[in-house]
Amino acid sequence: LAKTTQPISMDSYEGQEVNITCSHNNIATNDYITWYQQFPSQGPRFIIQGYKTKVTNEVASLFIPADRKSSTLSLPRVSLSDTAVYYCLVGENSGNTPLVFGKGTRLSVIA
Amino acid sequence: DSGVTQTPKHLITATGQRVTLRCSPRSGDLSVYWYQQSLDQGLQFLIQYYNGEERAKGNILERFSAQQFPDLHSELNLSSLELGDSALYFCASSSAGSGNTIYFGEGSWLTVV
Repeated sequence: LAKTTQPISMDSYEGQEVNITCSHNNIATNDYITWYQQFPSQGPRFIIQGYKTKVTNEVASLFIPADRKSSTLSLPRVSLSDTAVYYCLVGENSGNTPLVFGKGTRLSVIA
Repeated sequence: DSGVTQTPKHLITATGQRVTLRCSPRSGDLSVYWYQQSLDQGLQFLIQYYNGEERAKGNILERFSAQQFPDLHSELNLSSLELGDSALYFCASSSAGSGNTIYFGEGSWLTVV
């Protein structure tokens, strides 16, 4: 799996848009970019996945530049309930290589 | 609800004992993964099974073992337990060709006293 680098922590006020950037300089051609969210004492939850350009779902948007060496998870108008750890993972989608989670980004949303 | 079921949710046991954690994957998922998360630690990948066969092994101790049965449920066996084995153990599953989209259970809290 490609190594990823993301900020250890971020703070945001309620109602703001939060962008968490992940660097993955060694991403391979077959690799996808996947983001997970984890609340305390719960298992991580899949948020979004993309290969290139932009992907949007009801929870977040994922922006991937043309060189794919980084990606940005965008959470629109965060609320206190978005306080969690967010993990960026890069790897092929075949299931042959298990997902290895890094330390993630701890997002704290403040009222 | 992810569709992944883990039992028991909580257990307390003494050092030196052995426990078995059970996982039922989502319907149709062939891959099962086990992860360990200690307090203030990240998720540590332990082992992966695919359709009954071991596919990948991570930082799993020799005192730990796992298997996946023909009905696709999986068990993680932890033996000669030590205080440091106290952790939240997660099982996750995925379907073929969607290895990056895995669904986690609620975890089994293990406390070793």
